[in-house]
Amino acid sequence: GDSVTQMEGPVTLSEEAFLTINCTYTATGYPSLFWYVQYPGEGLQLLLKATKADDKGSNKGFEATYRKETTSFHLEKGSVQVSDSAVYFCALRPNAGKSTFGDGTTLTVKP
Amino acid sequence: NAGVTQTPKFQVLKTGQSMTLQCAQDMNHNSMYWYRQDPGMGLRLIYYSASEGTTDKGEVPNGYNVSRLNKREFSLRLESAAPSQTSVYFCASSDSGRAYEQYFGPGTRLTVT
Repeated sequence: GDSVTQMEGPVTLSEEAFLTINCTYTATGYPSLFWYVQYPGEGLQLLLKATKADDKGSNKGFEATYRKETTSFHLEKGSVQVSDSAVYFCALRPNAGKSTFGDGTTLTVKP
Repeated sequence: NAGVTQTPKFQVLKTGQSMTLQCAQDMNHNSMYWYRQDPGMGLRLIYYSASEGTTDKGEVPNGYNVSRLNKREFSLRLESAAPSQTSVYFCASSDSGRAYEQYFGPGTRLTVT
């Protein structure tokens, strides 16, 4: 079946550091890929998505590229802020059926 | 446009009590979902409804029942609460199709003593 593997956390960075959170997936066919963010005490919300190979999703300075050859969708940001502290979830949605989520990676950014 | 709303926000139950968590969406989405989130366990799908009139089990359905009351509303019922059901419960909805993201409610924090 489908699966998503995320880099284990927690991740702690200083403000303005470079962020990478790794995500790899296993799926048949051509799923869409998503990054969701969950701020403390809230539900998940979409951060960015990509629906086909080589697409780059971007939002709020975050980027991720759909790499079919390496089955990856790594999340990056060039300069993190304290306000980026949250839990990040990688997810895929196949052609048919329901989404699969990774276990989440907790990011803490210190001033 | 309220998105996905959940009630209640917090609830404390005693073991053996029953309750229903309510969820409604105003985005005309076909699909709706119930998840639970426990520390270190990520999100686990309890039940989902691909369209009005259909429901299917997710990975952790035991101890729960659901009702897709209409296109807008999807409720989750705990018939006899157990301490193992202490968790944060999220409802979500989405359009049908691979390109569409899920929209999540704010969650219900449930404690069973």
